[in-house]
Amino acid sequence: EAGVAQSPRYKIIEKRQSVAFWCNPISGHATLYWYQQILGQGPKLLIQFQNNGVVDDSQLPKDRFSAERLKGVDSTLKIQPAKLEDSAVYLCASSLDRGTPLHFGNGTRLTVT
Amino acid sequence: QQPVQSPQAVILREGEDAVINCSSSKALYSVHWYRQKHGEAPVFLMILLKGGEQKGHDKISASFNEKKQQSSLYLTASQLSYSGTYFCGTEMGNQFYFGTGTSLTVIP
Repeated sequence: EAGVAQSPRYKIIEKRQSVAFWCNPISGHATLYWYQQILGQGPKLLIQFQNNGVVDDSQLPKDRFSAERLKGVDSTLKIQPAKLEDSAVYLCASSLDRGTPLHFGNGTRLTVT
Repeated sequence: QQPVQSPQAVILREGEDAVINCSSSKALYSVHWYRQKHGEAPVFLMILLKGGEQKGHDKISASFNEKKQQSSLYLTASQLSYSGTYFCGTEMGNQFYFGTGTSLTVIP
């Protein structure tokens, strides 16, 4: 089966600019996750979707971050405006159901200068 | 909500054993274990769904104590390829959180 697809792989922007990341989960996977991983730290959950509904977005900085999952399939994560502390790897993952493994994409490495 | 792992870091010689612990303050539906190598995405190792369940493949196994809300990952006769950062992941209700991570380095 095809894995989780993410794009772009790398992005460099200046602070106060905006950026968007795209994720295509494994076909049939109902749950989609966006994680932020800062160098040397564990993945931090930003938002979790179940189909196209939000399960948890308690750690999403909603003043600058937004995410949507179109028709319960693809998802986009946007940052506007970006800050220096947003520099991190953004990981998308999907899972079939509760109690099943998370499959990760290769991530997007964001550098904010 | 984030599970706490111990130790934070461990260095082993090839062939030595290690145990990584994961503790949660909330009731768990399941526990996952993942390994992440530098510059790569986390890779799934195993899931434990029931209290008391133990699983393993090759020389890596894990246990889940549902009552104590704890899980342990056991690595025996470690190999150089075991190096990386290990994360537990816990499902609480419908939410999924990764642990604080344990850096494991295996040296020749």
